[in-house]
Parts: sequence; C-alpha cells; structure tokens
Amino acid sequence: DGGITQSPKYLFRKEGQNVTLSCEQNLNHDAMYWYRQDPGQGLRLIYYSQIVNDFQKGDIAEGYSVSREKKESFPLTVTSAQKNPTAFYLCASRGTSDRGLQAGELFFGEGSRLTVL
Amino acid sequence: DAKTTQPTSMDCAEGRAANLPCNHSTISGNEYVYWYRQIHSQGPQYIIHGLKNNETNEMASLIITEDRKSSTLILPHATLRDTAVYYCIVRVIGKTSYDKVIFGPGTSLSVIP
Repeated sequence: DGGITQSPKYLFRKEGQNVTLSCEQNLNHDAMYWYRQDPGQGLRLIYYSQIVNDFQKGDIAEGYSVSREKKESFPLTVTSAQKNPTAFYLCASRGTSDRGLQAGELFFGEGSRLTVL
Repeated sequence: DAKTTQPTSMDCAEGRAANLPCNHSTISGNEYVYWYRQIHSQGPQYIIHGLKNNETNEMASLIITEDRKSSTLILPHATLRDTAVYYCIVRVIGKTSYDKVIFGPGTSLSVIP
C-alpha cells in the first residue's frame, strides 16, 4: 500500500547527541515537510522540500537539519544545538496534480516521539 | 499565506451536527481553504477543501461564505470517534507557489455521549 512511514516511533536521546528521524514515502510525491508538535499545541513547520536536492527553512529550523537526496526520503536530524528537542515530530508529503499544480492534500506519517533524557 | 482563526475548543452531543467555524479574513483570490483533523497522538488526516463553492464528501461538508472571509466545517452526525483537533488552513495551489502549509492551534472538538 502507498503511504508515508516514519521511524522510529519512539526515541530517547541523551543531551548533546544528534539523532536522525527517518521519513520515507512511496506515493511519488514531490513535496515533503517536517513539523514539530508540543503538547496541546498546533503544528510548527521545521523544514520543507518541493523537489530533490532543494529544501527551505520553516518557522523553527534552528537546531535542525535535513537532506533530500532522493524523492522518496526526507530525513530530519535533531542536533545538539536544538535547545528543547523533546516533542512529537510529524512528516508529511504532498503530490502534484495532473496539470502540474502544487495541489492535493497532505499525507502524514504516524509521527516520531523524541524524548531527551 | 493568509492566517486563520478558530475557537480553541467546542463540545457537541453525539448524533448531532458539529459546526466548526474558521475565520480567514485576509484570504486572497487564489487561496483554498483546507480542513484536517488530528486524533490524539496520530498524524493529521485530510478532510475536505474548497475554493468558493460549498463542498461535500463522505466525511463532511464545507460551507464558504460568499466573501470567502470565513468557512464552516460540518460533521453531520458526530460520533465519539470524531473527537479530535480540527485544523483550518488556507493555501495557494499553483505551479510557482512555494507552499509552506502552516497549521495553527486548531479547534479541539469533544463529542459527548
């Protein structure tokens, strides 16, 4: 089945360690996104990518890094520079319509919950 | 992209219609209104979207005012499984738009037995 897969679902990290969250989609979608969600809050955009080898900072990119070497993969690295990394991280992808428009709804993964000990 | 304003929370009796409002007074002509919902600790799920006409699908109906400055998502017969946070967002659909897709805090809907 087509979909978007995030791993790991739960991750514990010690302070000062970098961690990488995986996001893979087999929907042939061009655009991919990373969001962060804190308890009781909405989603805040970290990074987004419209095409391979191109990505843009969102509203809270500091302390995070991404890569987009393949269309189906958009991993997020939470670096030691991120002051408060404990959060729920969501990855999403979106396709392009038949007319080449940046259309369509977002498909989300099930999320990765990161806890810093 | 235009910003949206939604009530923080709402209650609805099971079996009744749930009407969730959204204000988007700065919406521009090429921006669509999208609705998503997020059940606790899961990824958000697409519900419906529209430009200026009212829309209906198997999940919900979307009513957009004539001036497009506000909209209402209607769940016709709310069930306990509709308890979730509902997000209203506006975004441009276009070939050259660099689409950031911003989510606000949404409305927490509680369906009460």
